[in-house]
Amino acid sequence: DAGVTQSPTHLIKTRGQQVTLRCSPKSGHDTVSWYQQALGQGPQFIFQYYEEEERQRGNFPDRFSGHQFPNYSSELNVNALLLGDSALYLCASSLTGATNEKLFFGSGTQLSVL
Amino acid sequence: GQNIDQPTEMTATEGAIVQINCTYQTSGFNGLFWYQQHAGEAPTFLSYNVLDGLEEKGRFSSFLSRSKGYSYLLLKELQMKDSASYLCAVVGGSYIPTFGRGTSLIVHP
Repeated sequence: DAGVTQSPTHLIKTRGQQVTLRCSPKSGHDTVSWYQQALGQGPQFIFQYYEEEERQRGNFPDRFSGHQFPNYSSELNVNALLLGDSALYLCASSLTGATNEKLFFGSGTQLSVL
Repeated sequence: GQNIDQPTEMTATEGAIVQINCTYQTSGFNGLFWYQQHAGEAPTFLSYNVLDGLEEKGRFSSFLSRSKGYSYLLLKELQMKDSASYLCAVVGGSYIPTFGRGTSLIVHP
């Protein structure tokens, strides 16, 4: 049973560019959340997708957008990259998004903005 | 909003017991998670508390006091492989887990 998979594992971009990160949830999971984790910090919630709709959003600018596909996989897009966007981007999936439900995380995409 | 506070770093000796504290302030409370994250890896689930008291799971236990806004993770019989970051995550009124910055635990021989 494949867990949460993310691609690519590493990415280097320059300021102003755009990036797309991809995530496939654990088999049977329909809810996908994205987190940004800066070095030495805890994961910060970006947004959550359920049934192809953005269900909740954290305190991130509109440069951060996403999408969920009918097969529950998801993409995170970041436009007009800033140096401060350099971080580990984690995707997490859950069965229904219930509050008592543990999250299954992927290994993340390490984004470096130069 | 939410405020979650954990110590930045702790050190302990192999075979010992360590307690990692987490204090929080939140509007609405719907549970508290602990996750373990080894360097360069994904966080993995350790425990979930929603009611006051102690939850024991093998070498790991987690305690919650909702009235005090306080939780701790207790690790017994420490092993070198327990060296990792331990993340406290609180589910508040938004129903989305908010993570603390994590506590880096270093276990030495």
